[in-house]
Amino acid sequence: QVQLQQSGPGLVKPSETLSLTCSVSDGSIRNYYWSWIRQSPGKGLEWIGYIYHSGTSSYNPSLKSRVTMSVDTSKNQFSLRLSSVTAADTAMYYCARQVVVPATPSYNWFDPWGQGTLVTVSS
Amino acid sequence: DIQMTQSPPSLSASVGDRVTITCRASQSISSSLNWYQQKPGKAPKLLMYGASSLQSGVPSRFSGSGSGTDFTLTITSLQPEDFATYYCQQSYTTPPAFGPGTKVEIK
Repeated sequence: QVQLQQSGPGLVKPSETLSLTCSVSDGSIRNYYWSWIRQSPGKGLEWIGYIYHSGTSSYNPSLKSRVTMSVDTSKNQFSLRLSSVTAADTAMYYCARQVVVPATPSYNWFDPWGQGTLVTVSS
Repeated sequence: DIQMTQSPPSLSASVGDRVTITCRASQSISSSLNWYQQKPGKAPKLLMYGASSLQSGVPSRFSGSGSGTDFTLTITSLQPEDFATYYCQQSYTTPPAFGPGTKVEIK
C-alpha cells in the first residue's frame, strides 16, 4: 500500500518561494503521475499540476507561471516550488498519486493522498 | 475550463437514512467523474471513480451513477463514520476540477 509523506515549511514570507517535498514509500515512483493539490476556504480544492517519473509535467494554467515540479527517482520523492507567493497562496497543500487509465474518454483519479501541509504566507 | 457544482451544499441526516448528493458539470464529461470523502483534519479519500466504480475497500453502501453532465452519489443506510464532506471531481479534461463539496451532518 503506497504511502505519501509530505515535508516542508509551514510558513513562507510574501514574495518568497514555497517548497514542499513528498516522499513515496511502499511503492515505486516509476510509472505513475504525481500531483499537487491545494485546498483553501476561498477556492476549495485546486489541482496545481502533476509530474511523471520521467520528468514530464503539466501545470494548472492559473498557476503555471509560478510553478515548478521536479522528481528524484533515486530518492522516491517529488517536489513542488511555487514562487512569488502572496496571502492568496495560503492553503493546505496535498501531494497525491494520479492514477491514469489509458482510455477514451480519459479516466484518472487521485489516490492515495499525503497527510497535507498547512502553508501560511505571512511576514 | 469545466466547472463543477454540487447540491445541496450541506444536509442533515440520521443514521440509517438514505442520502443522495448531486454533482453537475458545466459540459459533458462522459463518465469521467470521481467522488471523494473528507473528514475534518484529514486528506480526501477516493470513494468512486469512473462515475460508478467502487474503490477497493469502500463499503458497498456507497454507489455512484450518471454520465454526461449529471451525477449522483448515494449512501444507503448512513453510518456514523459517513458524516463528512463529499467532493466530486472531473477527470475529462485538464485541469481536473473539484466540486465545492457537500457536508453531511448529523441530524
